[in-house]
Amino acid sequence: EIVLTQSPGTLSLSPGERATLSCRASQSVSSSYLAWYQQKPGQAPRLLIYGASSRATGIPDRFSGSGSGTDFTLTISRLEPEDFAVYYCQQYGSSALTFGGGTKVEIK
Amino acid sequence: QVQLQESGPGLVKPSGTLSLTCAVSGGSISSSNWWSWVRQPPGKGLEWIGEIYHSGSTNYNPSLKSRVTISVDKSKNQFSLKLSSVTAADTAVYYCARFSETVIAAPTYYFDYWGQGTLVTVSS
Repeated sequence: EIVLTQSPGTLSLSPGERATLSCRASQSVSSSYLAWYQQKPGQAPRLLIYGASSRATGIPDRFSGSGSGTDFTLTISRLEPEDFAVYYCQQYGSSALTFGGGTKVEIK
Repeated sequence: QVQLQESGPGLVKPSGTLSLTCAVSGGSISSSNWWSWVRQPPGKGLEWIGEIYHSGSTNYNPSLKSRVTISVDKSKNQFSLKLSSVTAADTAVYYCARFSETVIAAPTYYFDYWGQGTLVTVSS
């Protein structure tokens, strides 16, 4: 099973600042199989990025994804008030689909 | 617009079987997608339980495989989850979700539609 480790666990930033979230895999992951989700309290996750770098329909261009192999990054260029949430990376491959433990982006 | 709706008991006794159904509307369960169950213990992260294709093919999380059964009912456009021998550790919000494929340079997969989730508590 591929383990995804997200860091930091919590990111304290102000609106307008840049957020950089990391997702590290225990073994190489195909970029095609790496996605990012946003989850707000009491809501289901929402797809942000698929294929490591493609934005889902309706996702603002301040969200971008990059990376390959074992290191992937989600960047939010300028935080808007609605972006404060928990973010998960997810991979699909080998024997099981797995999620990272999440990064909480909170208001500083 | 595809919509998914979970239903089932919110309380299950320890050692019992958790049973949930996900009704799909706005699309056919016989489309070229996999249909999944994902759970989230209170205050914790997401855990994939397993998936099913309309043909009945399934894949399960190895850590849960011995206790999980996912089935599909094409006539009702729904799929179901059974988790046996539950304990308090199985208390979670259970989501059903559609796992889709898009081909860019290569096939890529992601969850694009989710149900609202249903809390299942395991307690006597």
